[in-house]
Amino acid sequence: AQSVTQLDSQVPVFEEAPVELRCNYSSSVSVYLFWYVQYPNQGLQLLLKYLSGSTLVESINGFEAEFNKSQTSFHLRKPSVHISDTAEYFCAVSVNQAGTALIFGKGTTLSVSS
Amino acid sequence: EAGVTQFPSHSVIEKGQTVTLRCDPISGHDNLYWYRRVMGKEIKFLLHFVKESKQDESGMPNNRFLAERTGGTYSTLKVQPAELEDSGVYFCASSQYPWEQYFGPGTRLTVT
Repeated sequence: AQSVTQLDSQVPVFEEAPVELRCNYSSSVSVYLFWYVQYPNQGLQLLLKYLSGSTLVESINGFEAEFNKSQTSFHLRKPSVHISDTAEYFCAVSVNQAGTALIFGKGTTLSVSS
Repeated sequence: EAGVTQFPSHSVIEKGQTVTLRCDPISGHDNLYWYRRVMGKEIKFLLHFVKESKQDESGMPNNRFLAERTGGTYSTLKVQPAELEDSGVYFCASSQYPWEQYFGPGTRLTVT
């Protein structure tokens, strides 16, 4: 069975500071990896995904995540955060077969203040 | 292109009552998923439709939950009778490809 651990439930940072949201997973088979973001009063949006190939994946708004197979991690990073990045971030995995469900971590609330 | 929509956005019912949640997926998406987040816990998978067929319902908590997807379009999730522990946010997602699920805004269900 697969599982996802997000090590920090809350991460407070100041605007323009760098941030890393940690995610570790457990699986005996190959997986797809995802980060979703939920802004206040909105649904979940796919931020970025790792399917195969380059282990570093990037989003359009400056976030990046690196797949580390040996450490079974998929940490999310941003070099300089904005107030608008305040949201809850979810790491998720799915077994890389057609149509399988996502397994989520408990989420990390990123709070960016000025 | 319209996204995944869910109705209602909020529902408050008493224990023992029935509630039906609706999800309209993105047009053309054969895959439809239901997930639930109970307060303080992770988002958990409930079931997966491919068109009108249940592909995987291993996450359904018990037989008080009934999901349908008539004609392979919209889906409903009925809880009957509702219990206090059913409170939470119910998310629907749809996808054409398994690696890109699009989520709706969720229905917040409160059972009192």
